[in-house]
Amino acid sequence: NAGVTQTPKFQVLKTGQSMTLQCAQDMNHNSMYWYRQDPGMGLRLIYYSASEGTTDKGEVPNGYNVSRLNKREFSLRLESAAPSQTSVYFCASSEVSSQGAKNIQYFGAGTRLSVL
Amino acid sequence: SQQGEEDPQALSIQEGENATMNCSYKTSINNLQWYRQNSGRGLVHLILIRSNEREKHSGRLRVTLDTSKKSSSLLITASRAADTASYFCATDSRMDSSYKLIFGSGTRLLVRP
Repeated sequence: NAGVTQTPKFQVLKTGQSMTLQCAQDMNHNSMYWYRQDPGMGLRLIYYSASEGTTDKGEVPNGYNVSRLNKREFSLRLESAAPSQTSVYFCASSEVSSQGAKNIQYFGAGTRLSVL
Repeated sequence: SQQGEEDPQALSIQEGENATMNCSYKTSINNLQWYRQNSGRGLVHLILIRSNEREKHSGRLRVTLDTSKKSSSLLITASRAADTASYFCATDSRMDSSYKLIFGSGTRLLVRP
């Protein structure tokens, strides 16, 4: 099994350009997440999708949009990229139990984005 | 703002020594998890401890949780060079019925051969 697959692995954009980061999981998980990680910092949640058809803002949603295309795929779009969005982006998925007692997340390898 | 804060930010030890890293958090939790991140890679789940548990073991890993102090520690015994990585705690607080984990800022561990 591939787990969580992110594309592309690397991307360089000019200020104002747009792009979509793709994420797909093959574990039949209900919940999916997008994070950004800046140097020396932990992960900050951008958006998440608790289940197919729903999306919610995380800690740092400004400048981003998401689409939960189906149960497998969750994309992140930058409409007008800014240098402040230079970061490493991680997608994750999890299967939250009905009791919500576990929320173990599985991560992709990341997309390294530079905005010039 | 981040829920968990890890201490120390960086740790350098000799192979064979034990490594201890700590995590403090702010709100009530359902569980606390530890993840490892090798350089340039995604995070990998290591261990989960529920709020009603005080200690948990997995191989060379030992995790403790003190909910009265809102803190947790991760102990790696008999460290190896391959343990060199960043380690993050993550809390599942379920304060707003969402499924979010809040990650700490991480401890960078260097194990010298």
